[in-house]
Amino acid sequence: GAVVSQHPSRVICKSGTSVKIECRSLDFQATTMFWYRQFPKQSLMLMATSNEGSKATYEQGVEKDKFLINHASLTLSTLTVTSAHPEDSSFYICSAREGINLNQPQHFGDGTRLSIL
Amino acid sequence: GEDVEQSLFLSVREGDSSVINCTYTDSSSTYLYWYKQEPGAGLQLLTYIFSNMDMKQDQRLTVLLNKKDKHLSLRIADTQTGDSAIYFCAESFTGGGNKLTFGTGTQLKVEL
Repeated sequence: GAVVSQHPSRVICKSGTSVKIECRSLDFQATTMFWYRQFPKQSLMLMATSNEGSKATYEQGVEKDKFLINHASLTLSTLTVTSAHPEDSSFYICSAREGINLNQPQHFGDGTRLSIL
Repeated sequence: GEDVEQSLFLSVREGDSSVINCTYTDSSSTYLYWYKQEPGAGLQLLTYIFSNMDMKQDQRLTVLLNKKDKHLSLRIADTQTGDSAIYFCAESFTGGGNKLTFGTGTQLKVEL
């Protein structure tokens, strides 16, 4: 159980393109989902917390107009990187927490490798 | 702010035990977690421990928590080549909405 599916797994696109990444909880409902960014050989950096039916909460230094998050249902959150540039190239990982209990662990997707040319 | 530290690299022989260490600074941590990341993949939850526990065992995995020293360890018994990966510890605390703060990650290499 507790499977999180993330698509696409890899994206290569031109500078200026907007890219949408989907995160789905397959066998549970997730009131809260999280979006992380990971640079090579580094740890995960939390970008934002996404709550179903409300606005996402962004971490300090993360541009909300650049990284649009939508959490329209209890099983789907999307991250759109708008007008992507080479510096946005990174590994993006989502996670989902089951139910409303804050003590439930986060389950992670397999990540999306974004490369902007 | 929170700070979670791990040693960068650990090499063990197949069949030996591995011990991966983690230190944290936030004494109000509620839960502490261990995640495994294989190359190019997301994170797999291995185990987690509530902050009022000292030890948790799950098959080959043993987690030890020394709350006084803010030290967490993960022991993998009978380490196999399939255990080669990066291991992240993470902490959360209720006051922070149970957001995770990750350690720097330890690369475990298992040699034959």
